[in-house]
Amino acid sequence: QLQLQESGPGLVKPSETLSLICTVSGGSISSSNYYWGWICQPPGKGLEWIGSIYYSGSTFYNPSLKSRVTISVDTSKNQFSLRLSSVTAADTAVYYCARHVDYSYYIDVWGKGTTVIVSS
Amino acid sequence: QSALTQPASVSGSPGQSITISCTGTSSDVGSYNLVSWYQQHPGKAPKVMIYGDSKRPSGVSNRFSGSKSGNTASLKISGLQAEDEADYYCCSYAGSSTFVVFGGGTKLTVL
Repeated sequence: QLQLQESGPGLVKPSETLSLICTVSGGSISSSNYYWGWICQPPGKGLEWIGSIYYSGSTFYNPSLKSRVTISVDTSKNQFSLRLSSVTAADTAVYYCARHVDYSYYIDVWGKGTTVIVSS
Repeated sequence: QSALTQPASVSGSPGQSITISCTGTSSDVGSYNLVSWYQQHPGKAPKVMIYGDSKRPSGVSNRFSGSKSGNTASLKISGLQAEDEADYYCCSYAGSSTFVVFGGGTKLTVL
């Protein structure tokens, strides 16, 4: 059973960079059948797709966040990561890592989510 | 990238049926048979209920069904149960440059 686990600081200062890692267990991140993505959910609000990556390194970003987002993959560690620069209080959210099924693009596996608060 | 449009809330009594709509555009919902629906209980990660407009993953109750007409997708829940009370989100593939877009979410209350 594939599992995803987010990790990273729970508190980030305004204007700094938010960095999270998602560790994949029970399966390989190098599978050609899946994309790996990040979704955020501000308190009391809906889901927002941040971006996704293929194991080969091809990336897809939300146009509204593209200038601040970098997603990368480390196949040797079976991990992928998110970097969101110049954060503000509006970036306070629960961040989920997830797996999209190729060709269908739906998310079949989600991490439990990690809360990141942006505050000085 | 504009979010797909969903009603903020819907409600129904146990045993009844409800439908949640999800309106997009000809660039997303209307162009691909790739709408998915997610159920989210408070404090939990979302769970896929429908994918590919109308396909149901293994283990999901057949009380949940999906359909689509033009730029609007719909999720129908039949025989409402208390456990169905949750937030529901639609999501659509939107092409290689936009990838995916979510709806704003609908809160389902079982009266």
